[in-house]
Amino acid sequence: SQTIHQWPATLVQPVGSPLSLECTVEGTSNPNLYWYRQAAGRGLQLLFYSVGIGQISSEVPQNLSASRPQDRQFILSSKKLLLSDSGFYLCAWIINTEAFFGQGTRLTVV
Amino acid sequence: SQQGEEDPQALSIQEGENATMNCSYKTSINNLQWYRQNSGRGLVHLILIRSNEREKHSGRLRVTLDTSKKSSSLLITASRAADTASYFCPAGNTGKLIFGQGTTLQVKP
Repeated sequence: SQTIHQWPATLVQPVGSPLSLECTVEGTSNPNLYWYRQAAGRGLQLLFYSVGIGQISSEVPQNLSASRPQDRQFILSSKKLLLSDSGFYLCAWIINTEAFFGQGTRLTVV
Repeated sequence: SQQGEEDPQALSIQEGENATMNCSYKTSINNLQWYRQNSGRGLVHLILIRSNEREKHSGRLRVTLDTSKKSSSLLITASRAADTASYFCPAGNTGKLIFGQGTTLQVKP
């Protein structure tokens, strides 16, 4: 069966530090992968999506970047975190328009 | 990409009552989905309704779709405290789903 893993679940990082969040998918090949961010009490903002290895589309200009080094791996990164990067980050795998989400990472930048 | 907008933003009901939330979208769609998000968790897919369907049921959930009005509704019957969550309705034509602000439902015991 298809599953999606996202880690870590929570993260507290100082301003200016780097970030790396990882998402992996099992049980499928060539999935469409997505990174969303959710501010407290708000909807989901699409950050990046990828339709294949090395293919990244950015939805909004920001302090973050994404990479897809392997077919089933999607990484969200930052070289220097800002306070405004705090939020709840969700990785998703979408097939035939149905989305399967990871459990999310609660990032607090202090 | 598409975006569904949920209404109302917040809804508070007593356990056992029915909860109705609405969704509107702007352009033509192939299908519309409803998701639930419990506080601080990932989203869970509830139900998908295709553009050629008018109504769909899944347990205590009933979804309607009116493509002429570009709107959908989600009815949760006999609500339970465990139904307390945020509900989203991304509308999709392609693999990219855009989410609105959601409806936050509180079911009071």
